[in-house]
Amino acid sequence: EVQLLESGGGLEQPGGSLRLSCAASGFTFNNYAMSWVRQAPGKGLEWVSAISGNGVNTHYADSVKGRFTISRDNSKNTLYLKMNSLRAEDTAVYFCAKGPLTGDPYDYWGQGTLVTVSS
Amino acid sequence: EIVLTQSPGTLSLSPGERAPLSCRASQSVGRNYLAWYQQKPGQAPRLLIYGASIRATGIPERFSGSGSGTDFTLTISRLEPEDFAVYYCQQYVTSPQTFGQGTKVEIK
Repeated sequence: EVQLLESGGGLEQPGGSLRLSCAASGFTFNNYAMSWVRQAPGKGLEWVSAISGNGVNTHYADSVKGRFTISRDNSKNTLYLKMNSLRAEDTAVYFCAKGPLTGDPYDYWGQGTLVTVSS
Repeated sequence: EIVLTQSPGTLSLSPGERAPLSCRASQSVGRNYLAWYQQKPGQAPRLLIYGASIRATGIPERFSGSGSGTDFTLTISRLEPEDFAVYYCQQYVTSPQTFGQGTKVEIK
């Protein structure tokens, strides 16, 4: 059974940093691209970032480019999102999802972790 | 970027009724790389349909997808109580992949 379990969310001040993790199980992790998708309170879904299976290729939404860094540790079956220079508009539930930048849908999602940016 | 517009914003229906949900793209979604997701409060989205018309694993037959190019439809043939939720369409043909703003199906 595929499972994705996010952690690392919480309350952070504007300008601060957080690192999200997503522990994956139930599939051969290094064979699949992974992504982060966020959802602001009461709003829709927004793609944030994607990374290839081997970690070489990364992609970012314009709204987070230069501030967020996606990475993965295939030996630990874990996906990461390092978020720097946080802004109030980054407040959202962050979901990790199994799937690439393009070409395939997201067939599995984690339960999400809430990031709140506020002073 | 491809903009997806879903309509209506809210659909008020009774159990047993048919629910047609629309998703229109600002430009052609080549190869029909269009998916539909269901999301219930406090839960992650769940993949229902991909490739515009292919049901994902374990999705009941009452969910069907159709369309091509720029106009797509998700149809729930007979609403069950567990189907009242928010539905999103997504294009995954070009970067950035984008989602529609959602259609809420609520109990009338």
